[in-house]
Amino acid sequence: LAKTTQPISMDSYEGQEVNITCSHNNIATNDYITWYQQFPSQGPRFIIQGYKTKVTNEVASLFIPADRKSSTLSLPRVSLSDTAVYYCLVVRLTGANNLFFGTGTRLTVIP
Amino acid sequence: DTAVSQTPKYLVTQMGNDKSIKCEQNLGHDTMYWYKQDSKKFLKIMFSYNNKELIINETVPNRFSPKSPDKAHLNLHINSLELGDSAVYFCASSLTGFTEAFFGQGTRLTVV
Repeated sequence: LAKTTQPISMDSYEGQEVNITCSHNNIATNDYITWYQQFPSQGPRFIIQGYKTKVTNEVASLFIPADRKSSTLSLPRVSLSDTAVYYCLVVRLTGANNLFFGTGTRLTVIP
Repeated sequence: DTAVSQTPKYLVTQMGNDKSIKCEQNLGHDTMYWYKQDSKKFLKIMFSYNNKELIINETVPNRFSPKSPDKAHLNLHINSLELGDSAVYFCASSLTGFTEAFFGQGTRLTVV
């Protein structure tokens, strides 16, 4: 599976839009991009998954360019409760043992 | 109802002991996982298992073994505990290896 690279940390003020970019240069045709969120002392929680272009749900949007070598998780109008670690994963459509977590991006929302 | 539950939540034990962590999911999922999150917060997959296949991360010592009495349970047995085994262990499940995974609340293991 393609290795992912993300910024180690980011800070943002409350109410701002936050964009976290993930690089996955060796992504394969059968691979999807998935993002998880982890709060302190909790297990990770699924946020969003996409293959190409744009995916939006009630929590976030995911932008994937045509070459799919990177992706951007967009969190609109963050609040203090969005402070967490955000993980970008590449998961394969078939097969098991897919969920490899990288170092993640620690987002700190400042009042 | 908790989707993925682990017991115990905290476990303190001495070096050399053998211990087990239990995991149960009520989601009807076919795939279950165990992860280890160390003090540096790196989340490392240890095992993934479905009713057909057990995949072991090759870096996991053979002192760790998953045991699945049925599809809803995947317990983690650890023999001869070492100080370096101290970490938070997460159980997770998903319908397939591709779909959304649900994580338990974690078990904080401290080896003294």
